[in-house]
Amino acid sequence: AQSVTQLDSQVPVFEEAPVELRCNYSSSVSVYLFWYVQYPNQGLQLLLKYLSGSTLVESINGFEAEFNKSQTSFHLRKPSVHISDTAEYFCAVRSGAGSYQLTFGKGTKLSVIP
Amino acid sequence: NAGVTQTPKFQVLKTGQSMTLQCAQDMNHNSMYWYRQDPGMGLRLIYYSASEGTTDKGEVPNGYNVSRLNKREFSLRLESAAPSQTSVYFCASSGGLENSPLHFGNGTRLTVT
Repeated sequence: AQSVTQLDSQVPVFEEAPVELRCNYSSSVSVYLFWYVQYPNQGLQLLLKYLSGSTLVESINGFEAEFNKSQTSFHLRKPSVHISDTAEYFCAVRSGAGSYQLTFGKGTKLSVIP
Repeated sequence: NAGVTQTPKFQVLKTGQSMTLQCAQDMNHNSMYWYRQDPGMGLRLIYYSASEGTTDKGEVPNGYNVSRLNKREFSLRLESAAPSQTSVYFCASSGGLENSPLHFGNGTRLTVT
C-alpha cells in the first residue's frame, strides 16, 4: 500500500521569502510523484511531476521539487513567493506496479503575507 | 477546450434523498475517477474506472455507486444521502498510463441536511 504524509497543514510566509512544503511517501515499489495546487473554489491543477530521470523537477511558475529516494521525500520549494501563490498544495503518489490509484496527502495551506 | 466538466456545481439534499453527479471529459482519456474532499482529510478516492466498461472501488466506496456510461462520461450516484456525505466531490480523468497525471473538474459542493 502507498501513503503520503504532508508534515505541515498550514505554512504562513512573508512575500518574497523562500518556502518549503514537505512531503514524505511510503511505497514498496517504484513511484511516480506529483504536486497539485488548489486555488479557492477551484479544482486541483498539476504543478509538477516526477516520473523518472533527473531528480529535480521544475514548474513554469518558479516552484521546484526534488525526489529523494533514500529519504522517501518529494519536498516542494520556491526561493521567493508571491501573493498569488496563496493556495493549498497537495502531494500525491502513484506506485509503478500497474496501479490506477493516485493517493493524496492531506494538503498544506500556504498563506503569503504581504 | 472544456477538459473535465462536472454538474451540478452546488446541491443541497435532505437525508434519504438520492441524486446523481455527472462528469464528462473531452480529452479522450481512458481512466476516470471520483474523489471527495473534506477539510483536513485531503482527497479520498471513492471509485474509479480504469477503462470504458470497468469500475473499481477506491478507499471510501460505501454509500455510492458509479456508472461509466461511455468513454466520456462517469457518473456518481448517492442512493440515500446521509449527512456524512456532505463534501466537495471532484471528478478527474487521465490517459490511463501509470505516469499520467490527473485532470480535475471544478467540483460539486454537496450539503446533506
